[in-house]
Amino acid sequence: AQSVTQLGSHVSVSEGALVLLRCNYSSSVPPYLFWYVQYPNQGLQLLLKYTTGATLVKGINGFEAEFKKSETSFHLTKPSAHMSDAAEYFCAVRLMDSSYKLIFGSGTRLLVRP
Amino acid sequence: DADVTQTPRNRITKTGKRIMLECSQTKGHDRMYWYRQDPGLGLRLIYYSFDVKDINKGEISDGYSVSRQAQAKFSLSLESAIPNQTALYFCATSDWNEKLFFGSGTQLSVL
Repeated sequence: AQSVTQLGSHVSVSEGALVLLRCNYSSSVPPYLFWYVQYPNQGLQLLLKYTTGATLVKGINGFEAEFKKSETSFHLTKPSAHMSDAAEYFCAVRLMDSSYKLIFGSGTRLLVRP
Repeated sequence: DADVTQTPRNRITKTGKRIMLECSQTKGHDRMYWYRQDPGLGLRLIYYSFDVKDINKGEISDGYSVSRQAQAKFSLSLESAIPNQTALYFCATSDWNEKLFFGSGTQLSVL
């Protein structure tokens, strides 16, 4: 069965520091992977997605993620954190059947310290 | 106006009551979803629909039902609410690129 695991329910960084949010997936077939962000009192928004092709995917707001098959990982990074990046981040994998369902990880809350 | 609108934004109800959460969208998408969000558990899929005649159960459909009244409308019902259905509920639509568009959520509390 396909699934994703997000390591760390909370991550705290200083403004200007590197952001690294971890996601590992489990899939017997090449996965489609996604990162979504949820700002306070809002629904989720797509940050970026990997389907096929280039393994380094660039998203909105300066975020990027790299698909590493050998490590079954899809970690999200941003070189320099901004206060406005404080939010909850969800990794997700698409089921590779006719349902097209997304399975979400448990989420990582990013805190940015001034 | 929001592309995906959920009503109500907040609801408090009592155990055993029937409640309906409504969702409408202006995206023109055929696919619609209901998710439930609980702290530390992420989002779990309750039901999804690929068109008006297509309704499918998700991971946690027990205790819930849905109705797809039109392409733009997808409602979620709790026939007899119980306290462990207290959660944040999201409606979403998607296009063929699998990008999900979420509503702002309905916070439901069952006392």
